[in-house]
Amino acid sequence: AQSVTQPDIHITVSEGASLELRCNYSYGATPYLFWYVQSPGQGLQLLLKYFSGDTLVQGIKGFEAEFKRSQSSFNLRKPSVHWSDAAEYFCAVGRMDSSYKLIFGSGTRLLVRP
Amino acid sequence: GAVVSQHPSRVICKSGTSVKIECRSLDFQATTMFWYRQFPKQSLMLMATSNEGSKATYEQGVEKDKFLINHASLTLSTLTVTSAHPEDSSFYICSARRRPRQGGRFSNQPQHFGDGTRLSIL
Repeated sequence: AQSVTQPDIHITVSEGASLELRCNYSYGATPYLFWYVQSPGQGLQLLLKYFSGDTLVQGIKGFEAEFKRSQSSFNLRKPSVHWSDAAEYFCAVGRMDSSYKLIFGSGTRLLVRP
Repeated sequence: GAVVSQHPSRVICKSGTSVKIECRSLDFQATTMFWYRQFPKQSLMLMATSNEGSKATYEQGVEKDKFLINHASLTLSTLTVTSAHPEDSSFYICSARRRPRQGGRFSNQPQHFGDGTRLSIL
């Protein structure tokens, strides 16, 4: 069965420090992978996506993610965190059957220390 | 581009009333829209998939008669919570997938999300 695991419920980093949010997936074929961010009381904003090609994907707001097939991972990174990055981050894998559904991880809440 | 508008952003109403939530794709045509429910501090739970001009496909355990979905045009889908009760209180979020341009691949289109609707039933 397809699934997405985000092992960290909370992560706290200091402003200016680097960030890595972990995501592992289980999928029978080459996955379509996404990272979304959600601010409190709002919808989700797409940060970046991976469909094929270069395994290092650049996104908005200075984020990047690397697809590692051997580790079934798609970790999100940012070299220097800003206070405005504090939010909930969701990793998702896209089902490539006719439903095109997204399977979401449970999310990681990022807290930023001043 | 790829803006999805969801209205209203917040609803408070009495138990037993019906509530309609609209989801519009403002600058693109969306052949598929999705409706999610999110409980506090939890992930998104897919409720149903809505395809323009056809009946919605509901996930297991979601009551079709309780959550009515209509996708009448390529830019509008509505979710109606019928005879709402306090247990229906939640955060409801819609998303839309863009119809690809000619020659494009539908499978490459990500979902774009609305800002959600906070529904509170008293």
